[in-house]
Order: sequence, then structure tokens, then C-alpha cells
Amino acid sequence: QKEVEQDPGPLSVPEGAIVSLNCTYSNSAFQYFMWYRQYSRKGPELLMYTYSSGNKEDGRFTAQVDKSSKYISLFIRDSQPSDSATYLCAMGLTGNQFYFGTGTSLTVIP
Amino acid sequence: EADIYQTPRYLVIGTGKKITLECSQTMGHDKMYWYQQDPGMELHLIHYSYGVNSTEKGDLSSESTVSRIRTEHFPLTLESARPSHTSQYLCASSLGDNLNIQYFGAGTRLSVL
Repeated sequence: QKEVEQDPGPLSVPEGAIVSLNCTYSNSAFQYFMWYRQYSRKGPELLMYTYSSGNKEDGRFTAQVDKSSKYISLFIRDSQPSDSATYLCAMGLTGNQFYFGTGTSLTVIP
Repeated sequence: EADIYQTPRYLVIGTGKKITLECSQTMGHDKMYWYQQDPGMELHLIHYSYGVNSTEKGDLSSESTVSRIRTEHFPLTLESARPSHTSQYLCASSLGDNLNIQYFGAGTRLSVL
């Protein structure tokens, strides 16, 4: 069983839509949860990180962690064409390596 | 933007050649990593280092080797490239604290003919 499962998409939405990206995981000990954004032909860049359960908001982005369900989400409000990218979730334990999802490809259509 | 640099960005070479992918960071991070990324697949950790003269193999078996002689430099070497080595190689670094947030370079896209 994979440590992290992520729907690869592709996901295509109109500009202004609310986007929901999700990952599930199998290791209940995971403490840190991150979302990376990767534009074509670039390396992943950190978008948001959270520790343990709860919500974290940063502008149009909200990261949500539900440890009881082993499920994390990233919501993008008022999506823009510049949000078109692949979004990778990552999670792990204190100080140790992180496990990445396969990434979800998102296209926001003007 | 993260100060971590990878060269070359793209490389096309023939089978049997020896190649070195360069990775340097100017953030003073102790931990550095090499990942392999293929389309539709998760990032696979192939090597990591927790500091100078420390190197370990990751989860994914790899025929490559790494060295960490200086904190800022973490090159990856393939002694004899094969078509199966064709992939995107990503280098990352992290501060080494509990949070372990990793910052990535732009990647090297390698094609072995």
C-alpha cells in the first residue's frame, strides 16, 4: 500500500471557481503536512504547511488536515489561470523524510 | 524563491557515458536530497545527506552515487548511463530542524539514448 494516495486528475476548472485538492495517507503517525506547487519544467515550491489537525489559511489558499480520517485537502478560492500547475501533497514525521503524492494537474481556464 | 541551483537543466547523452548532475545551495542547509520524478509518479528519494561526509541511500534503488564534501554542494554521479536512467532529477535541501521543510531546485531533465 502506498504511503500517500493522490488523484492525478487532470482537473480543469473555469476562472473564479473553488478548487478542492485531496490526499489520503496510511500512516497515522504523520505529523507534518505540506502542499507544493510545481509549474511545468520547474521544481516544486512550498505553498503551505500544517502541523497536526486543523485548518490553515493563506490568502486564497486553505489547507485542511483531518487526522482521524487520514485525509488532507487544499482549497483554492477564486482560482486564477496562474494557479494552473501540478499540486503535490507531502507528509511525514519529525525530522525524517517526507512522502509525496503523485501530484494533481490543475488547469484554470480564463 | 529558494537559493538552490541545479545544472545542467537538460542533458541528452548516449548510453555508457559518465555524467554528474550538480546541485548547490546557498542557504547553509545541513540536509540535502536527490529525488527522481517520472510523469504520473510520486517523487522517489534516491539519496540524502545530513551533513558533510554523510550520505545515505533512499527508498528507491539507484545506480547513482553522491558525495557531500562541502555543505553547499551535493553532486550526483552516474558512472555508466543507461536508457532506464532517463528521468527528471530534483535536488532539495532543508534546514534540519523538526519541521524539515524542503526547498527544491528547478531539476535536471536527463535523456539517455
